[in-house]
Amino acid sequence: QVQLVQSGAEVKKPGASVKVSCKASGYTFTGYYMHWVRQAPGQGLEWMGWINPNSGGTNYAQKFQDRVTMTRDTSISAAYMELSRLRSDDTAVYYCAKAVLPAAITWFDPWGQGTLVTVSS
Amino acid sequence: EIVLTQSPATLSLSPGERATLSCRASQSVSSNLAWYQQKPGQAPRLLIYDASNRATGIPARFSGSGSGTDFTLTISSLEPEDFAVYYCQQRYNWGFTFGPGTKVDIK
Repeated sequence: QVQLVQSGAEVKKPGASVKVSCKASGYTFTGYYMHWVRQAPGQGLEWMGWINPNSGGTNYAQKFQDRVTMTRDTSISAAYMELSRLRSDDTAVYYCAKAVLPAAITWFDPWGQGTLVTVSS
Repeated sequence: EIVLTQSPATLSLSPGERATLSCRASQSVSSNLAWYQQKPGQAPRLLIYDASNRATGIPARFSGSGSGTDFTLTISSLEPEDFAVYYCQQRYNWGFTFGPGTKVDIK
């Protein structure tokens, strides 16, 4: 079955960077776009961007353009999301989510279990 | 950027009742709309995609309708496990946005 397993919780200081990993299994990793979504405590969902694991091409939400980098390692079927210059309002659960259809920018299913990133001095 | 609004913010109903959730887009998104369910402490789950198609494994009591700017998620008869937060999501050009969510809680 398709599974996305994310790295563990992180605590970072303001101004630092964080890199969250998402290891995929149960499908052809390079065949499906991977999205990243975050959710601040008690708040809604915020799409951050996607990566095409086949080409490495990316598209970021405008809000995160200058601070986020999405990469992948096809040898281990893993996607990564790095967010730099962290602020307290970046405290959130970060999710990876697989596109439903192959080679298409489509809906998200399934999702990883989420990674809590806490930014605090 | 296309903005999604959802109403009501909270819907208080009893098991067995019908739930009708609304999502409105600031401009037409055609049928490029999905619905997700999120329970406390869990990741979201895709329910409906392309406005009216049920995702794999989703019970028939969930249905979606609408196109353009106005969309509806209907749960025909609420089961205890349906009490959760529901988000709509739209796809535009190369990106996505989510609505603020509707919480369906037990009356």
